[in-house]
Amino acid sequence: GEDVEQSLFLSVREGDSSVINCTYTDSSSTYLYWYKQEPGAGLQLLTYIFSNMDMKQDQRLTVLLNKKDKHLSLRIADTQTGDSAIYFCAETPDTGRRALTFGSGTRLQVQP
Amino acid sequence: GAVVSQHPSWVICKSGTSVKIECRSLDFQATTMFWYRQFPKQSLMLMATSNEGSKATYEQGVEKDKFLINHASLTLSTLTVTSAHPEDSSFYICSARDHGKTYEQYFGPGTRLTVT
Repeated sequence: GEDVEQSLFLSVREGDSSVINCTYTDSSSTYLYWYKQEPGAGLQLLTYIFSNMDMKQDQRLTVLLNKKDKHLSLRIADTQTGDSAIYFCAETPDTGRRALTFGSGTRLQVQP
Repeated sequence: GAVVSQHPSWVICKSGTSVKIECRSLDFQATTMFWYRQFPKQSLMLMATSNEGSKATYEQGVEKDKFLINHASLTLSTLTVTSAHPEDSSFYICSARDHGKTYEQYFGPGTRLTVT
């Protein structure tokens, strides 16, 4: 089945850029998502990209997709302390019931 | 943006009792909702797919008689944990797929269940 992997932890200083990486195994056309989870809360959809795209930018967020290597990254520009959270990468095929397969989550710690 | 609510946000129950968790899509219709379970400091594990007007599809290893799912309308799915045991204590999160935008999936705030 599908597998999604992420590094577990990232620490950056406030104002720096953060880059969170993710790899996936599904070879079919797929949607790839980034979600943010703050302590004790549900998941907030940040952005998503379809596998026929290379890049998507939305304000401080930039998603890059390397389809050949099945590598997805989320760049957060000008990282703020409020960005501290767990970031989940997820993917779903373009067909069928479209359940999400999640990575393990990357804990982003922003130091003032 | 699309909003999904869950009720209750937290619940404590005694072993052997049943607990019902509601998941509602507030401003969109959801023909499909998903139920996930999350253990502390872990990722989300899909439990089942809830389809409006039909039976839920359960993932391997999830007992359908223990985790009853009902999706009676386009905006409501319920998960009932029957005869709860301490090992059922977890964070349960639902998500709903927007019927008009099938690639967008929105999550509820989660329900923390503690079984004593």
